[in-house]
Amino acid sequence: EPEVTQTPSHQVTQMGQEVILRCVPISNHLYFYWYRQILGQKVEFLVSFYNNEISEKSEIFDDQFSVERPDGSNFTLKIRSTKLEDSAMYFCASTPWGQGYSPLHFGNGTRLTVT
Amino acid sequence: AQKVTQAQTEISVVEKEDVTLDCVYETRDTTYYLFWYKQPPSGELVFLIRRNSFDEQNEISGRYSWNFQKSTSSFNFTITASQVVDSAVYFCALSEARGGGADGLTFGKGTHLIIQP
Repeated sequence: EPEVTQTPSHQVTQMGQEVILRCVPISNHLYFYWYRQILGQKVEFLVSFYNNEISEKSEIFDDQFSVERPDGSNFTLKIRSTKLEDSAMYFCASTPWGQGYSPLHFGNGTRLTVT
Repeated sequence: AQKVTQAQTEISVVEKEDVTLDCVYETRDTTYYLFWYKQPPSGELVFLIRRNSFDEQNEISGRYSWNFQKSTSSFNFTITASQVVDSAVYFCALSEARGGGADGLTFGKGTHLIIQP
């Protein structure tokens, strides 16, 4: 069964550094998402992406964050200048028709540690 | 604004007991979608079920069953004859339909289910 793939599985970075988290969504899916989960807390929506542009973003997704689909397969989340509070598990997800019509397929996540 | 409340932070039962995880939601939309996800200790998020607001029929899948009641804004999840492998954090989530499918899911805080052998 096709899977959403995220790399790396764990990223350690220093405060103030830029970090790029990578995702390869399922190939025929059209909607892409980033969520984050601070350790021990609930999963929080960051951003959704459709037709090569951001569809919706949460209050968490401020100017430090950006997303890009640089080619036909990758979907990236960039954090420009990381802060300690950005430490979390970041999940990429995709769905063919939008999550109201089909469930999200999540990747296994990237654990980001900011020191 | 939408909100999902999972009042049970942690539940511990002995194997083979039945257990119900509660989920109460708030939304002003008449069309919305409800989900349950499982997060085992390995950390991935596993989809369990999706329900739309027009379908109040209860669903059973093996040992899992879901009770959706619009009158009480609840979407509860029952595991029958629990097994140790059911130990995980379970999240209830809500999506409103206004965004044409691109809306973010609002998750509850999760219920940590511990099944003791």
